[in-house]
Amino acid sequence: GENVEQHPSTLSVQEGDSAVIKCTYSDSASNYFPWYKQELGKGPQLIIDIRSNVGEKKDQRIAVTLNKTAKHFSLHITETQPEDSAVYFCAASAPGGSYIPTFGRGTSLIVHP
Amino acid sequence: DTAVSQTPKYLVTQMGNDKSIKCEQNLGHDTMYWYKQDSKKFLKIMFSYNNKELIINETVPNRFSPKSPDKAHLNLHINSLELGDSAVYFCASSPLAVNEQFFGPGTRLTVL
Repeated sequence: GENVEQHPSTLSVQEGDSAVIKCTYSDSASNYFPWYKQELGKGPQLIIDIRSNVGEKKDQRIAVTLNKTAKHFSLHITETQPEDSAVYFCAASAPGGSYIPTFGRGTSLIVHP
Repeated sequence: DTAVSQTPKYLVTQMGNDKSIKCEQNLGHDTMYWYKQDSKKFLKIMFSYNNKELIINETVPNRFSPKSPDKAHLNLHINSLELGDSAVYFCASSPLAVNEQFFGPGTRLTVL
């Protein structure tokens, strides 16, 4: 089955700096890669996603890149703000079979004012 | 309007009891899920269900069972609760497989 590795587990940055979270996956059939943000006491919420036919996607201060050959994808947050502090999860889904997404173990991002 | 709702938000109970967590989605989605999030924030899929198929994560004990009275609801029943069942349980739904999931606010279960 699919295996998703996520690094780092904790990331501490100063306000205004950039933050990068990296994930690798094992199943070459995976074609959907979402990123979720989980704020304290809430459920995860999708912030951006990318499909395997695209190499990069951007939405204001956040961007995601995908390297299918190397089987890795990354989340980039620029000009970080304290409200970006949360746990971020990457995930990978493959068509066929159960479609069950596999999540990474999460990255706790702390943005210091 | 709440998209995915869960009740209760907190559940404290004794070992050995049987309990249920309810989940409802008003998004018209076909697929619903249950996840368990442990103290280290790891999100583990427990079940995936649509009106055709129930997919069970093989690592989930058979004390856990999903029940779907209709397309908008997927409840989670847990029998003979154990200390290790303490966690936050999230319900989610999605319109199609391999697509965005919408998560509920979670139910924090504490087994004493």
